[in-house]
Amino acid sequence: DAKTTQPTSMDCAEGRAANLPCNHSTISGNEYVYWYRQIHSQGPQYIIHGLKNNETNEMASLIITEDRKSSTLILPHATLRDTAVYYCIVRDNAGNMLTFGGGTRLMVKP
Amino acid sequence: GAGVSQSPSNKVTEKGKDVELRCDPISGHTALYWYRQSLGQGLEFLIYFQGNSAPDKSGLPSDRFSAERTGGSVSTLTIQRTQQEDSAVYLCASSFSRTQETQYFGPGTRLLVL
Repeated sequence: DAKTTQPTSMDCAEGRAANLPCNHSTISGNEYVYWYRQIHSQGPQYIIHGLKNNETNEMASLIITEDRKSSTLILPHATLRDTAVYYCIVRDNAGNMLTFGGGTRLMVKP
Repeated sequence: GAGVSQSPSNKVTEKGKDVELRCDPISGHTALYWYRQSLGQGLEFLIYFQGNSAPDKSGLPSDRFSAERTGGSVSTLTIQRTQQEDSAVYLCASSFSRTQETQYFGPGTRLLVL
């Protein structure tokens, strides 16, 4: 699976959009971009995934660049409960285990 | 529907004792994974079950670790003769199938070996 690079930490004001970047310059054509988050003392929570097209669900939007070498997770109106570590993972759908890197620690502040 | 559930949520044991951790996957999910996460660390893959196929045990750290999945549903992770370095959060995840790889995680079991 391709390696990803994320900022170690980010702050966001409550009610504002949180934009979390991820670089995955070695992504291959059959690899998807997945986002999970982990709130303190809880199991990882699936957020969203995509291959080429931008995706949106009730939690977030995923914007993938045309060359697929980077992506951005957007939380449109961040709340204090969105404070968590956010993990960007790229992998194909024939793989087994997930590998989480360091992730981005997002702190939403009032 | 119900998500992945795990029990117990917390377990404190003495060094040398055996422990059993349980995972109930989402109904209808054929793939089940066990991971562990030490404090402040990423996920460490342990074992993977897919339907009736032989499990992928490549992540088990020692022969003290074993896992079963009965009837293609509930799974039990057993750690024999626990050591202090086994202290971690043990996470279970399930997915609909191997090729639909969105994994949904349970809340984890926090194991502390004294």
